Formats: sequence, C-alpha cells, structure tokens
Amino acid sequence: QSFLTQPPSVSGAPGQRVTISCTGTISNIGAPSDVHWYKQLPGTAPQLLVYLNNLRPSGVSDRFSGFRSGTSASLAITGLQADDEADYYCQAYDNRQSASVFGGGTKLTVL
Amino acid sequence: QVQLQQWGAGQLKSSETLSLTCAVSGGSLRDYSWTWIRQSPVRGLEWIGGVRHSESTYNSSLKGRISISLDTSRRHLSLRLSSVTAADTALYYCARGVTVNLSFYLDVWGKGTTVTVSS
Repeated sequence: QSFLTQPPSVSGAPGQRVTISCTGTISNIGAPSDVHWYKQLPGTAPQLLVYLNNLRPSGVSDRFSGFRSGTSASLAITGLQADDEADYYCQAYDNRQSASVFGGGTKLTVL
Repeated sequence: QVQLQQWGAGQLKSSETLSLTCAVSGGSLRDYSWTWIRQSPVRGLEWIGGVRHSESTYNSSLKGRISISLDTSRRHLSLRLSSVTAADTALYYCARGVTVNLSFYLDVWGKGTTVTVSS
C-alpha cells in the first residue's frame, strides 16, 4: 500500500483535459511537503515532469501543470496527445517515515 | 549534460549481497542527493536511500542491510544490500536528487538494473 494514493487509471480523448489526483496525509503533502510528478514510458526510467508542486523542467510542455492544496495534489494535462500515454507518479517527503514516498502510479490511456 | 550509467549483478540467491554501481558523468557531485530507487510490481517505486555531503540516509525498512556510498574521485555511486530475499527483486535505479528543505526531486535517472533473487 502506497503512502500517496493515486487512481489506478484515467483516460481521455485526444485534445481533452485530464487530471490525476494524489492524496496524502498530514505527515506528507499536508505537512506541508512539496509534491513532484514523474512520467514513465514502458521500459524506461521515470522522468521528472513537475517539481516543487507546479514548476516544469526545461523542455516539458506547458500542457502539464501541478497543483497542491491541503493533503492533496493534482497533475493536469491539457490538449491530450497520443504520446502522453504513460504511467504517472507523484512523490513527496513523509515526516513520519523520514523518507521520500511515491504514489502507486496512474496509467493514462489516450482513447 | 549529466548521465548516469549503472551496472551490477542481476541474478542473486537468497542471503547473498546485492552490489550495484552508478557512474556519474558530467556535472558537479556537490550539493546533490545521489539516490537509489527501486521499482517492483508489489511495492511500486520505493526510495531506498541516498548520500549527500558524505552523509548517507536509508529507508528504515532496510536499515542494517544497506550501505550507500559516493566515491568522488571515481565519480561512482555504490549500493550494497546484504542478506537479500525474493522481496528485494526489483528494477533498481540510481538518480540525482535536488534537495529543497527536507524534500528532493529526481531530475536525472539511470536506465535501471534488474535484480532477481531466487531461493
């Protein structure tokens, strides 16, 4: 069982907007702890998508945006494209575990 | 451009010691958290430990079995995990962590090494 809870799957049609939620507790996201998001394509390592809640690394499209509030965070993807199909993970520091923890991952399917 | 190349034994028997190395090319070693992450279908992504400014920190679930070190002269990050069991079977990644307060994010990743433990 993951310390951060994500929906197992989400889907959307090309061009649509989807959001992926990441629900934590007062010992992690609600501490508050910054939330980071990763995208993982099959057979490859995760790649940083959003860091410090809402910042994007150089080269990441502004179609991706992050938001944190209370004990939850979310990742929004607008203008869905076929190559957005991947697994997405959230990450935050947990005070109780004294460790960085991840969500269980959400598989995004582009219909 | 920072690149991480990792290697190590992929097949182990129970009770043996897992040993992985990650070579860091490009960039500075200072001020980063050099980190090991593992991924398995059962446990998902799991932070197992890291080293920053010569100080190592570990996932408490692995304490007593794990050692992570950074050889700055060779630019090698190392992981040793003793007394492995089938529960340690996973894809192991090395990664560079950027630390902000207590949190860090992982901005550069190795390609991963699959480790399988059999009885």
